[in-house]
Amino acid sequence: ETGVTQTPRHLVMGMTNKKSLKCEQHLGHNAMYWYKQSAKKPLELMFVYSLEERVENNSVPSRFSPECPNSSHLFLHLHTLQPEDSALYLCASSQTILQGLDTEAFFGQGTRLTVV
Amino acid sequence: GESVGLHLPTLSVQEGDNSIINCAYSNSASDYFIWYKQESGKGPQFIIDIRSNMDKRQGQRVTVLLNKTVKHLSLQIAATQPGDSAVYFCAENILGGTSYGKLTFGQGTILTVHP
Repeated sequence: ETGVTQTPRHLVMGMTNKKSLKCEQHLGHNAMYWYKQSAKKPLELMFVYSLEERVENNSVPSRFSPECPNSSHLFLHLHTLQPEDSALYLCASSQTILQGLDTEAFFGQGTRLTVV
Repeated sequence: GESVGLHLPTLSVQEGDNSIINCAYSNSASDYFIWYKQESGKGPQFIIDIRSNMDKRQGQRVTVLLNKTVKHLSLQIAATQPGDSAVYFCAENILGGTSYGKLTFGQGTILTVHP
């Protein structure tokens, strides 16, 4: 266990559904991230939060809506997704926004999302 | 656009051998590099990182080498074990500015270790 917990582990949703992914970190970190991992594609950064403030929105469609109510929790709200949004969604945290040596990011196990 | 890529998508080795996983990067402004390991069903796990003012950094059984001249990064695993079987990603970043947290990942190399 890395100290970053994601729920649910698996999610199947229809294109008209609304669902949320949850991430919780128990490491006292100040930065949290959402990544998307699709088959045969590199990891793609979606959002970055530092001290509960969004500092990066990497051209992500508005059907993905992040929320960071406190430094320990991060949500990704999903609505009207498309089948191509099916992927592994990974949450990560780090002590601070990645700046240099030994400021590593700890990843959760991910939520395997399937949009039908 | 700029990208990070891997020379070999798969690597098979015998237990006890040394493994070398390679990575090419194209953004000459990148100054921070990380190697991650991802086992099946798990998220990526940090292995080791290196800054551009270094050309070598060693960890426990792993060594990262950086050749800025040819923009090449490698991960060496000594005495490879079956538990090392995983997908290995390199990632690059530019420290400071507005690129914080914006790691660019390669596609990954699948390492398979045979007993």
